[in-house]
This record gives sequence, structure tokens and C-alpha cells, in this order.
Amino acid sequence: NAGVMQNPRHLVRRRGQEARLRCSPMKGHSHVYWYRQLPEEGLKFMVYLQKENIIDESGMPKERFSAEFPKEGPSILRIQQVVRGDSAAYFCASSRRQDYEQYFGPGTRLTVT
Amino acid sequence: DAKTTQPPSMDCAEGRAANLPCNHSTISGNEYVYWYRQIHSQGPQYIIHGLKNNETNEMASLIITEDRKSSTLILPHATLRDTAVYYCIVRPFTGGGNKLTFGTGTQLKVEL
Repeated sequence: NAGVMQNPRHLVRRRGQEARLRCSPMKGHSHVYWYRQLPEEGLKFMVYLQKENIIDESGMPKERFSAEFPKEGPSILRIQQVVRGDSAAYFCASSRRQDYEQYFGPGTRLTVT
Repeated sequence: DAKTTQPPSMDCAEGRAANLPCNHSTISGNEYVYWYRQIHSQGPQYIIHGLKNNETNEMASLIITEDRKSSTLILPHATLRDTAVYYCIVRPFTGGGNKLTFGTGTQLKVEL
């Protein structure tokens, strides 16, 4: 039973470019969560999505960041016009139900040069 | 969500039990205690969770005090691969219990 999959594992972008991070939840999981871990800092919740719906985006920066979880395909975290401060590890998690335990993927490490 | 307090670091000899404490004195009746760990920048790994009874699985045991104000995660026979940051998280199981709020955790170092 494959776990949560994220790709790419490493992503390098120049300032001003766009970054697209993908997350495929575990089989049978319809709840997806995105977290960010800045260098030397703790994990911070960003957004919670169910299929085709954003349920809680209280942790998302107000500008340049967006997330989606379409009916078909992986969840996408999109960062437009990246800046150096966006360099971080981005982790996706999934759960079978909203109140069940969350299982995390290996993360995408974004480096902005 | 209730706040948790954990020691910043602990050491444990390989093969011995590792007992990681967590204080959550403001926990509410509808909140679970969850434990996760993060091994050197990998994705966090779910370990165990409980409400008020002690729980055990193949990874660890969770002991919750009767007043639920604190808990202890027990790794019965720690190995070098258990070296990680361990996070104790309190999370409501109804009404907004979606996100996990990670604190600073306990850095467990298992040594020979």
C-alpha cells in the first residue's frame, strides 16, 4: 500500500518563477493537508482540502500561494513569483477522514536562487 | 488547541526504554493526544494517539494520566534509528480538528 507521494522531491527556482508541488494521497484518503517547514523552524499548517474544495486555508500566505485538489489527479500547491523566503520543505499529508490520523509524504524541498 | 510542553532534548542508551514526557495541562475533554516523530528532515511519521486510555501499537505505548494533563510516550527498546524529534500534539476530534499544530518537540538521541 503506497504511502503519500510527493514530487518533485527537490525543486530549484529562480526568483520570480512559479513553483508547482504535487501530492498524491494514500489510497482511500480524500483529505489532504499541506505544511511548510522553514529552515531551522517548526512545521506550520498551510491548507486543508477535500476533493474540489478548500476547507481551511488559515495558514496560507495571502498572496502568491494557492492550492487545489481536483476531482481527478493529485493535489497541487502553487507558488507564484517565488522569493528567497519561500525556500523551505513542503510536506503533504492525507487522512481517510478529517478526524483521523494524518500520514505524511517525504516532502518537496524548494530552493529559490 | 491546547498547548503542549516537552523537554527540548533527551538521551537514551540503545536497547533501553525511552520515556518521553509531555505536559498538556489545558487539554479539553474533546481533544486527543497525538505523537509524531520526524527523523532528520524526513516527513513526520505518525506514531500513536489516545484519548484517555493507555494505548499500545507495534511502535510504542502511550500512557495518559488519569486527569489527562500529561502523557508519556514509551519506546520499549530504543534503537539508533529512533533518533528523531518527537512531537506531542493535542488535537480536537470534532469541530475544527483538521490541522496539526507542531511545537518544538523533543530531540531524542539514542546512543550506543
